[in-house]
Amino acid sequence: KAGVTQTPRYLIKTRGQQVTLSCSPISGHRSVSWYQQTPGQGLQFLFEYFSETQRNKGNFPGRFSGRQFSNSRSEMNVSTLELGDSALYLCASTGTGWSEQYFGPGTRLTVT
Amino acid sequence: EDKVVQSPLSLVVHEGDTVTLNCSYEVTNFRSLLWYKQEKKAPTFLFMLTSSGIEKKSGRLSSILDKKELFSILNITATQTGDSAIYLCAGSNYGGATNKLIFGTGTLLAVQP
Repeated sequence: KAGVTQTPRYLIKTRGQQVTLSCSPISGHRSVSWYQQTPGQGLQFLFEYFSETQRNKGNFPGRFSGRQFSNSRSEMNVSTLELGDSALYLCASTGTGWSEQYFGPGTRLTVT
Repeated sequence: EDKVVQSPLSLVVHEGDTVTLNCSYEVTNFRSLLWYKQEKKAPTFLFMLTSSGIEKKSGRLSSILDKKELFSILNITATQTGDSAIYLCAGSNYGGATNKLIFGTGTLLAVQP
């Protein structure tokens, strides 16, 4: 069974631009969660989608948004990029019930 | 506010040593405690613990949860250089039918030959 995939793997953007990251969960998984990982703050929860609906949202500004499609693939968007948005963005998929989350390889975003 | 605290922050050991990593948590409506290993990129799943006092084991790794004292430990016996990584623990809760995980900052383990 294929794992969680994320594209692109690396991205360099300029302040003020916007970016869209994509995540395809494990086949059959309907929940996708997004996390931001930085050296100073560690792994922080951004939001979770289940059946195309956002179920929970972390403490991030409105510049961070996401969506989920009917095939469970998810995208997250960051608008008006700031230098502090440079981070590894990880998505994780979860199967039925309260099971463990499996992470994708991440997208390394660098904002210059 | 929910929080997860790991200790030590970093650890250097020699191959063959046994290490114990600690994780304490304060998570509202606690459901489970998860351990992950992170080397270069994505955290890889190790254990999920939901019941107190029941040890989970996988090869040289084992973990146990104490829901009364709100902590978990991860043991690694006969360490190898391949065990060098950041070990993350995370708590999950029942709030809002969500799969949100609250992560600790991790323990950086370096195993020297």
